[in-house]
Amino acid sequence: GAVVSQHPSRVICKSGTSVKIECRSLDFQATTMFWYRQFPKQSLMLMATSNEGSKATYEQGVEKDKFLINHASLTLSTLTVTSAHPEDSSFYICSASGGTAISYEQYFGPGTRLTVT
Amino acid sequence: RKEVEQDPGPFNVPEGATVAFNCTYSNSASQSFFWYRQDCRKEPKLLMSVYSSGNEDGRFTAQLNRASQYISLLIRDSKLSDSATYLCVVTKAAGNKLTFGGGTRVLVKP
Repeated sequence: GAVVSQHPSRVICKSGTSVKIECRSLDFQATTMFWYRQFPKQSLMLMATSNEGSKATYEQGVEKDKFLINHASLTLSTLTVTSAHPEDSSFYICSASGGTAISYEQYFGPGTRLTVT
Repeated sequence: RKEVEQDPGPFNVPEGATVAFNCTYSNSASQSFFWYRQDCRKEPKLLMSVYSSGNEDGRFTAQLNRASQYISLLIRDSKLSDSATYLCVVTKAAGNKLTFGGGTRVLVKP
């Protein structure tokens, strides 16, 4: 199957700082990438959908100015958590899809565990 | 009401036994259905798609009931390695966004 990587796998930062998470598709071109967040004992919640070269589409309740998403190439999307606070501590997972609109297969990255102190 | 609902469990299953659990979805226009498996602190991995006619993959059997809007997963001859959280996933009517259920935790014990 297709491989998606995320970096870093784990990050600890101080409150008020910004953190950038990278998501890369290693062996295919990802026209669409998705960013999810998962709090402990909860399911994955979609934060935003990004298409290469265009602005991300954010889900209701997700602040676009706080969670900056850039999808500048077909193999890389980044999520920047700006002015992070302890409540932003979570497991952030990206997924990538290289299919057409009728292809629902998404390949997940291994996730990034963010802890804000 | 959540779009996708699951019994969180845990289902404690003796090794070798059969376990089954359901997932209900609220959007009757949902198009595609999947079961994912998620191990602790790891990303979800696709276990199997769920087709209208039902489908089987080794020890795993998935069923879809559109009339009652639920899907099911049955695991036969449970292995210790089957211990995980099983996520029910549904696509919305348009596009390929995945909507995840809260997951059902399964613990297989010797």
